Amino acid sequence: SAVISQKPSRDICQRGTSLTIQCQVDSQVTMMFWYRQQPGQSLTLIATANQGSEATYESGFVIDKFPISRPNLTFSTLTVSNMSPEDSSIYLCSVTGAGVMNTEAFFGQGTRLTVV
Amino acid sequence: LAKTTQPISMDSYEGQEVNITCSHNNIATNDYITWYQQFPSQGPRFIIQGYKTKVTNEVASLFIPADRKSSTLSLPRVSLSDTAVYYCLVAIYNQGGKLIFGQGTELSVKP
Repeated sequence: SAVISQKPSRDICQRGTSLTIQCQVDSQVTMMFWYRQQPGQSLTLIATANQGSEATYESGFVIDKFPISRPNLTFSTLTVSNMSPEDSSIYLCSVTGAGVMNTEAFFGQGTRLTVV
Repeated sequence: LAKTTQPISMDSYEGQEVNITCSHNNIATNDYITWYQQFPSQGPRFIIQGYKTKVTNEVASLFIPADRKSSTLSLPRVSLSDTAVYYCLVAIYNQGGKLIFGQGTELSVKP
């Protein structure tokens, strides 16, 4: 299994500002994933964070709004830029554990973001 | 990735067996069926995965018919702590953990 730590666990931010969310994994992983979960909704994949290359964004998400860094095999950051109240969500980091079938993913506890 | 359809909500009582059925009509040959559980204020947790027939682990069983167009997650003798949202996903094996979540089934277990 993989243990994932996300920081911060929650934050309240002013509109127009940016927040960077950190994701730390206790083992090296090839791909890390960022999801958004709006209140009462399911999870939506934002992007795949690849080490050594640009992140791959899903339809509806762009790098200018959600820049991602992946400096090494255990760490990634997601920035929510120029925030608006519509960005209020839980943001989750996910990885696949080494040595297990690749549909078994592990998630962090999430970052609960409120934009006021 | 194949789209999944499952009931939005289900109610049950403690001690009962709960079966949640998921439809995935457009499942492809390389797709695996995976179920996740999510409690409030937590990230989803892997429950079980299968390709065909029946899979059982310490938590649940997964039944997949021969045509693989649907699957049923079976939770034996549920307790209050099984109250959660259950997601059925179809994922491509070896795609490194990329998952597309559907709406999920909110299971409420009552005393």
